[in-house]
Amino acid sequence: NAGVTQTPKFQVLKTGQSMTLQCAQDMNHEYMSWYRQDPGMGLRLIHYSVGAGITDQGEVPNGYNVSRSTTEDFPLRLLSAAPSQTSVYFCASTGGSIRNEQFFGPGTRLTVL
Amino acid sequence: AQSVTQLDSHVSVSEGTPVLLRCNYSSSYSPSLFWYVQHPNKGLQLLLKYTSAATLVKGINGFEAEFKKSETSFHLTKPSAHMSDAAEYFCVVSHNTDKLIFGTGTRLQVFP
Repeated sequence: NAGVTQTPKFQVLKTGQSMTLQCAQDMNHEYMSWYRQDPGMGLRLIHYSVGAGITDQGEVPNGYNVSRSTTEDFPLRLLSAAPSQTSVYFCASTGGSIRNEQFFGPGTRLTVL
Repeated sequence: AQSVTQLDSHVSVSEGTPVLLRCNYSSSYSPSLFWYVQHPNKGLQLLLKYTSAATLVKGINGFEAEFKKSETSFHLTKPSAHMSDAAEYFCVVSHNTDKLIFGTGTRLQVFP
């Protein structure tokens, strides 16, 4: 199993540009999540999904959209990038229950100029 | 409401000495608690988890943590630090929801 994969690893955007961060998992997990990591703030939940077709907002959802058309994929969209969205983004998945281990992808480092 | 507080942003130890990373939590219900480790420029890896079974939880790489309900604490310990333990450590709380609440992290430095 590849686990959780994320692309790209690095990205530089200009203010106002849009892009999609890709996340895929091959473990048939129902739960998938997106976090952003900023210095001194730990990881904060952006959006999550409990299964295909179901998504919900986390702690910091503004400026981001998600969809979950398949169990495997959970892309994160930035519609109009802002410098405040400069961060490291992690996708995670877990099977069965949130009380189980979350498997994290390697992260995407995004810089918005 | 749930929250988690990591009491130290940085901890420095010498190789071979004990490690103590402190975590206090707040939860209205019986929580699940986790410790994750993040090595530089890497993703997060689960060290151990507590889900209402034994209060002393053993994890990977010689780490363990004790759930103390009376103190609302879940401190991470290791008897003898190794250079490879240098990383950032996150304490995480959840209670049967779809969300994990992360602490702000503790950076562990290990000196030779």
